[in-house]
Amino acid sequence: GENVEQHPSTLSVQEGDSAVIKCTYSDSASNYFPWYKQELGKRPQLIIDIRSNVGEKKDQRIAVTLNKTAKHFSLHITETQPEDSAVYFCAASSRGNEKLTFGTGTRLTIIP
Amino acid sequence: DAGVIQSPRHEVTEMGQEVTLRCKPISGHDYLFWYRQTMMRGLELLIYFNNNVPIDDSGMPEDRFSAKMPNASFSTLKIQPSEPRDSAVYFCASSPVLQPNYGYTFGSGTRLTVV
Repeated sequence: GENVEQHPSTLSVQEGDSAVIKCTYSDSASNYFPWYKQELGKRPQLIIDIRSNVGEKKDQRIAVTLNKTAKHFSLHITETQPEDSAVYFCAASSRGNEKLTFGTGTRLTIIP
Repeated sequence: DAGVIQSPRHEVTEMGQEVTLRCKPISGHDYLFWYRQTMMRGLELLIYFNNNVPIDDSGMPEDRFSAKMPNASFSTLKIQPSEPRDSAVYFCASSPVLQPNYGYTFGSGTRLTVV
């Protein structure tokens, strides 16, 4: 089955700087890669996703990149703000398989 | 739509007692997932259903755990008997069937504490 690894487990960034979280996956058939944000005590919420037919996707201050050859994908947050502090999860799934496999999460702290 | 609705939000029970967690998926979503979240193991998929039928229960930790989906708008996760190591946040999530590989919508979770 799919195995998703996520790094780093914790990340502290000065407000205004950029943050990058990286994930690798094992199943070459995987073609859908969402990112979830979970604020303290709340539910995980989808913030952005990318499919294997594109290499990059951007939504305001967040962007995701995908390298299918290397089987890794990354989340980039620019101009970080205090409200970006949360745990971020990456995930992967393959066509026809609705089961998402999640990474272990990255606790991002934005330092004012 | 009110989203995925879970109840109760918090549950404290004594070891050995039966616990039942409930979930109402988004109307029209044909897939329902139960996840368990702990600090040590992150988000673990326990079981998921498609059109009320269990598809993959390989994540259910042991026979003490059972899940049912009697109809398209309701699912339960039962633990009997409960143990302290079952303490975790249990999330239910649903997704539509129209597009493969679509993001999940999570419920608010049930924080279970077994003492």
